[in-house]
Formats: sequence, structure tokens, C-alpha cells
Amino acid sequence: EIVMTQSPATLSVSPGERATLSCRASQSVSSNLAWYQQKPGQAPRLLIYGASIRATGIPARFSGSGSGTEFTLTISILQSEDFAVYYCQQYNNWPPFTFGPGTKVDIK
Amino acid sequence: EVQLVESGGGLVQPGGSLRLSCAASGFTFSSYWMSWVRQAPGKGLEWVANIKQDGSEKYYVDSVKGRFTISRDNAKNSLYLQMNSLRAEDTAVYYCARDVLRFPHYYMDVWGKGTTVTVSS
Repeated sequence: EIVMTQSPATLSVSPGERATLSCRASQSVSSNLAWYQQKPGQAPRLLIYGASIRATGIPARFSGSGSGTEFTLTISILQSEDFAVYYCQQYNNWPPFTFGPGTKVDIK
Repeated sequence: EVQLVESGGGLVQPGGSLRLSCAASGFTFSSYWMSWVRQAPGKGLEWVANIKQDGSEKYYVDSVKGRFTISRDNAKNSLYLQMNSLRAEDTAVYYCARDVLRFPHYYMDVWGKGTTVTVSS
């Protein structure tokens, strides 16, 4: 099973600033990685797949990069609605699909 | 509007059973793989099981193998999760998700709001 880790656990950022979230896989997942956003009391929302491909309707301020074992999600200019928990998930080797533990982006 | 609506959650004693349902609308249900994903209170996301369009392939996370069964009824646009021998650690919000499999990509692009399962005596 591929283990996903994320850092930091919590990221405190001011609105308008840039946020950089990291995700690491225990072995190569190529570019087969997705990012999801989850707000309190809501279901997850797909942001990125293929490590860097924005899902339909996702604003351009969200960008993903990386391949192999190291990945980054960048939110270029944080908006108030972007404060949430972000999960990475690999789909290179399944089952099982595995998620990282999440990074909470909160207001500084 | 593309929508998934879960139901069937509730309070059940350890060792008990529960059947979750997910009603799909706004898309051709029979064309998609589907998944169940759960989230324990205050914890992260855990994929539980998925099923191919025609039900011919099913996969499970190890922790539920032999206890949970995923199924679907394409005529009713519905997905199910039969959960037996429930344990306290199965307590979670269970989400139904639509899977998109376009090789090599496999992602979950539509999610329901979830249904809560609590296993406790």
C-alpha cells in the first residue's frame, strides 16, 4: 500500500497571500495524484488530477505540480473561501486508493 | 444537476448490520465506476470500496474485506454498501462518489453530502 504524507499539518496564511502545500508518496505514483478541498461540514471537492490538471470550474489560482514522490499544491492569492482542509490522493497503485492526512489552511 | 444523495446511516450496535444507499441523478449512472469513501470523526478521508459500471469488478480496503459488500442497481440509479459485523472503528461519515476512469487518471469528481454511521453500544 502506498502511504501518503502531507506537510505542514496546519498552514496559517493571510488573505491575499500565497499558500504552498506539500504531499509525498512512499513510492513513485508517477503523475497519478489528485487534490481535494474540504470545508467544514461539506463533502470533498475535486481540485486537481494528473498532478497538475485543474478540474472543471476550478479557479486558476489553484495549481499543482510534481511527479514521482513529491507534489505541491499552490494557491496563488488566497481568498476567504479557500480556507479549508486539502487532501492529496494517489491512484497509481490501487486498490486501495490512499489519501494523505490533510493540510488545514487557516486564517493568520 | 448532477447529484448523489446518501441515506441509511444511523446508530447500530457493535456486530450489527446496516445498508447504505446512494441515489444518483443528472448523469448516466451506468457509465461510471462508483466509490464509497468514509471519514471518521475529526479524521481524514479513507477509500472503502469501488465497483465497475456493470458490477463485474469490486474492490475493497483490507479493513472491510469480508464484512462490507458494495453493489449497484443501474435500473434504479443506485449504489449500495451492505455493512455487516460492524465495529466501533467503522464509525464515520460515509460518502458516495462518482469515479472518472480515463486511463491513466482515476479521480472522484462528484460527491454526495454523506450519511453518518455510528457504531456504539
